[in-house]
Order: sequence, then structure tokens, then C-alpha cells
Amino acid sequence: GAVVSQHPSRVICKSGTSVKIECRSLDFQATTMFWYRQFPKQSLMLMATSNEGSKATYEQGVEKDKFLINHASLTLSTLTVTSAHPEDSSFYICSAPRGGSSYEQYFGPGTRLTVT
Amino acid sequence: AQSVTQPDIHITVSEGASLELRCNYSYGATPYLFWYVQSPGQGLQLLLKYFSGDTLVQGIKGFEAEFKRSQSSFNLRKPSVHWSDAAEYFCALRTGANNLFFGTGTRLTVIP
Repeated sequence: GAVVSQHPSRVICKSGTSVKIECRSLDFQATTMFWYRQFPKQSLMLMATSNEGSKATYEQGVEKDKFLINHASLTLSTLTVTSAHPEDSSFYICSAPRGGSSYEQYFGPGTRLTVT
Repeated sequence: AQSVTQPDIHITVSEGASLELRCNYSYGATPYLFWYVQSPGQGLQLLLKYFSGDTLVQGIKGFEAEFKRSQSSFNLRKPSVHWSDAAEYFCALRTGANNLFFGTGTRLTVIP
């Protein structure tokens, strides 16, 4: 089946630094990828839609200058949390839809970010 | 505006017992509905989906769900729960271009 990977799976960084999270579709190409954020014991909230070759589309309330998204190829999207603060600590999950009208998304295993 | 409600935050069942997880939705167009399972350290896995047609949908791992338009519900069921089913379950609604709107999730605990 389709596999989506994320790297790293867990990262701890100091406040004020930047962290990059990679999302890769391993056996299919994805012109679109999605980035979600999940707080403890809460649901996944869509942050942004990553589009290959063009700018990402951000959901209302998500700071695009803080959460930089780059979709450099058909198999890779990156999320960079800039000038991270403790409130950015969360579980970040990416997904990629496969197939034309199947509407099925494949999810990465997530990245646990802790900002100290 | 769309919404997905999972009324049960946490459910505990005995192994071998039947299971039903509730999901209610609100959406102004034809709903495309999904159930996902999330286990620790693993990505969300699709259990089943409803687009149209037969309102009783069969999924993987012995799960099924029934779409009831009159009740705006899409409840997940399994006749006999296994210990390996313990996980977090999310109901989701597709909106827009492949966007998924998730419910708050139901954590399932299975006791021997």
C-alpha cells in the first residue's frame, strides 16, 4: 500500500530556533500534501495545503510566516517551524492523497515537536 | 459550516464484546465520510469510507459503518472486539479539495 513517511519522528528544540519536518510519499507522487496539527487528546486540525510548484494555502489563523511550507518535488513537502516557542509544541502530521477521485489520504506517522 | 461530533471521548469494552462508536456530522452538501484509526507511533489508517450507494459500508479489520442521512450519523461497529483494536478512532468528513475535517476522536480501551 501507499506509504507516507515523516522525519524526524521526534524533535526537541530550544525556544527561538527553527525546526524542519519532512514529509515524503514513498511509492507515489503527490502534487498536494496536507499538514495537520494535533494537540494532546484533541483532533487533527488542518494547518495548510502544500502544493507542488506553487505557494501553500494556509487555513485561517495559521501564521504563514511562522509555518513555512515548501513542496519542492512530487514526493517531498517540508514544514519549517520558525522561531519556535513552547506553544508550538505539538504533534504534526502530514498526509497525501493518492489517486484521482479516490479521495483517500495516506497519513505519515507524525512528528512530535517539543520546544523548551 | 461543517462539523463532526464524536460524543464519546473514551469507551471501554471487554474483549469479544460488540462495539459501536458514534459519529454525527453537519454539512451542507453530499457528505463523504471516513473512519480512521490511530495507534501510538503509527499514522492514521483508513478503516472505511462512504461516498454513495449502499449505506452499510464494510471496512478492514472486521469493521463496518452505517450511513444514516436522516440522523446525520455514520456510526462505526464491530461485532467482536479484539485487544489489538485498542486505539484512537476518528470520524472525518471530506470538504473542499480533499480536505478532511476530523471529529475529536474516541479512545477505545479493551479489557481482557
